[in-house]
Amino acid sequence: SQQGEEDPQALSIQEGENATMNCSYKTSINNLQWYRQNSGRGLVHLILIRSNEREKHSGRLRVTLDTSKKSSSLLITASRAADTASYFCATAPREGGGNKLTFGTGTQLKVEL
Amino acid sequence: NAGVTQTPKFQVLKTGQSMTLQCAQDMNHNSMYWYRQDPGMGLRLIYYSASEGTTDKGEVPNGYNVSRLNKREFSLRLESAAPSQTSVYFCASSVTSRQETQYFGPGTRLLVL
Repeated sequence: SQQGEEDPQALSIQEGENATMNCSYKTSINNLQWYRQNSGRGLVHLILIRSNEREKHSGRLRVTLDTSKKSSSLLITASRAADTASYFCATAPREGGGNKLTFGTGTQLKVEL
Repeated sequence: NAGVTQTPKFQVLKTGQSMTLQCAQDMNHNSMYWYRQDPGMGLRLIYYSASEGTTDKGEVPNGYNVSRLNKREFSLRLESAAPSQTSVYFCASSVTSRQETQYFGPGTRLLVL
């Protein structure tokens, strides 16, 4: 079953613009993580936000978490062509689930010159 | 450090054939994972190993077996391949099994005819 669902499924922007993608999930979580996947490559971890955190920054990335709405957003500021990739959220359940992350279906971001 | 490595990169099998996908990590991580990625489905966990000597089923274990050979290596075996197992397979590792950041290999593309 898919815990996280990203929105939109695809996003196309111009270089220099900001890109926002959203993730919704269904059950209580311990943390939520965002990963990037370049075409034909493995996933790369971007940022982890814990359930008691509301916002986190890392370079041009800003992640927010609203546990009351069971949603998170990833903002990439001043986007570059190199940001073109698929972005996945992954949730770590609070109750049970052990060490298992559940990944969403991803947002495909295309940044055009 | 090579990180997480996977072999082979590509493989074509006929229905009913068997094969083993190899994964190794050089980061001294305790936990290792096998996922499959299908279009529109995100990543789904097949099996994981919280620590050397232990393995557990994930979301989609049917048709697969795993072996945690030692702390570094975690292999995935398809005993009798089926077309439904056509997918991209990713191995990942994490320091511990506490829902932390996972580090992914480059993937193995498998086509079952």
